[in-house]
Amino acid sequence: EADIYQTPRYLVIGTGKKITLECSQTMGHDKMYWYQQDPGMELHLIHYSYGVNSTEKGDLSSESTVSRIRTEHFPLTLESARPSHTSQYLCASSEFLAGGQTDTQYFGPGTRLTVL
Amino acid sequence: AQKITQTQPGMFVQEKEAVTLDCTYDTSDQSYGLFWYKQPSSGEMIFLIYQGSYDEQNATEGRYSLNFQKARKSANLVISASQLGDSAMYFCAMRVPMDSSYKLIFGSGTRLLVRP
Repeated sequence: EADIYQTPRYLVIGTGKKITLECSQTMGHDKMYWYQQDPGMELHLIHYSYGVNSTEKGDLSSESTVSRIRTEHFPLTLESARPSHTSQYLCASSEFLAGGQTDTQYFGPGTRLTVL
Repeated sequence: AQKITQTQPGMFVQEKEAVTLDCTYDTSDQSYGLFWYKQPSSGEMIFLIYQGSYDEQNATEGRYSLNFQKARKSANLVISASQLGDSAMYFCAMRVPMDSSYKLIFGSGTRLLVRP
């Protein structure tokens, strides 16, 4: 299993503020992901990374940006938060397993963001 | 189109009884994988069980088993001997190809409530 940490767990912030959601993992996984989840709904992939200096946009369009300067760290930034950004943001990481096994994604505890 | 369908928004089960959570999927890929995750009210996503499309036997992990019926494209989760701590949202997910790796697409989830 992966140890994945997200901070803050809860964030209430005003419109127009810049915020960074932190995600770090200690297992040395190359692949990391950000998902967005509205309450009681399915998860949608918004960003992913296959390694250092690799970042890609996911299925759901998002105004957020990400960076991957270190393997263990994958922060998500919103330059100007808006009420429409209110959601839960979940970070995950995975590694490819040899021998035909799949790479299981392990999730962090999530950040619940509320923009007033 | 690749899709996961969970038709039960909510389920009740009596403590110590077994419960089946339904999941059907749609894909044209020959190689795919199916996952179940548990999401308690605290928000984190907990990996429960995985089934590969070529696995001949149904996956089992403790009290969790996956009833995989390939011809019907269903991957139902069976929880035996339900416990109060099993009350949570349960998400079925499918691994689908993305670039040179994979991503997960999620169903809308089933909320399970275990009654004492």
